[in-house]
Amino acid sequence: EAQVTQNPRYLITVTGKKLTVTCSQNMNHEYMSWYRQDPGLGLRQIYYSMNVEVTDKGDVPEGYKVSRKEKRNFPLILESPSPNQTSLYFCASSFTGLNTEAFFGQGTRLTVV
Amino acid sequence: KQEVTQIPAALSVPEGENLVLNCSFTDSAIYNLQWFRQDPGKGLTSLLLIQSSQREQTSGRLNASLDKSSGRSTLYIAASQPGDSATYLCAAPFYNQGGKLIFGQGTELSVKP
Repeated sequence: EAQVTQNPRYLITVTGKKLTVTCSQNMNHEYMSWYRQDPGLGLRQIYYSMNVEVTDKGDVPEGYKVSRKEKRNFPLILESPSPNQTSLYFCASSFTGLNTEAFFGQGTRLTVV
Repeated sequence: KQEVTQIPAALSVPEGENLVLNCSFTDSAIYNLQWFRQDPGKGLTSLLLIQSSQREQTSGRLNASLDKSSGRSTLYIAASQPGDSATYLCAAPFYNQGGKLIFGQGTELSVKP
């Protein structure tokens, strides 16, 4: 089944403790990205990757890192999480990121206390 | 500024009614427009993708239209069912935005039995 898989689905952590949210897609998509969803602010892009080893900042990249060492995986890293990073996170992928359908993972609900 | 707007924010209808959800965008320079469904606390499910050169797309009881000149898209749901209750989001990748999807705030639909 074609899908985007995120892990974990739920995570509660403490301020400053490094964490990684994994994202994997099995559709051979070139383009992958991360979004966060917050009440009243909607969905905003954090980082994106046009291809392997190519990443770039989205609208809200502060406090996050990403890497794209292989096509299928695009992990999101929070080196020192803070409470304002409490949010619902989505990973997405598409063939080109321009004119092709985007597929989203099931989301990761992160709470930083 | 490139923006996507959805009105109304919430809509309640009786079962069996046909309904239209609205999406407007400020710039006609989009590659496509995509409609998603989001159930509470869940991921985004792609419903329909309309390429910029197309006028409409249909899938089952859903029909989406696109009018770039007026900056509008509509999602028509025929014979609504309680299972259609969810938040519906539209999103578009604008030119020169690196493939970033800009989302509307969504319309929360409730279909009453």
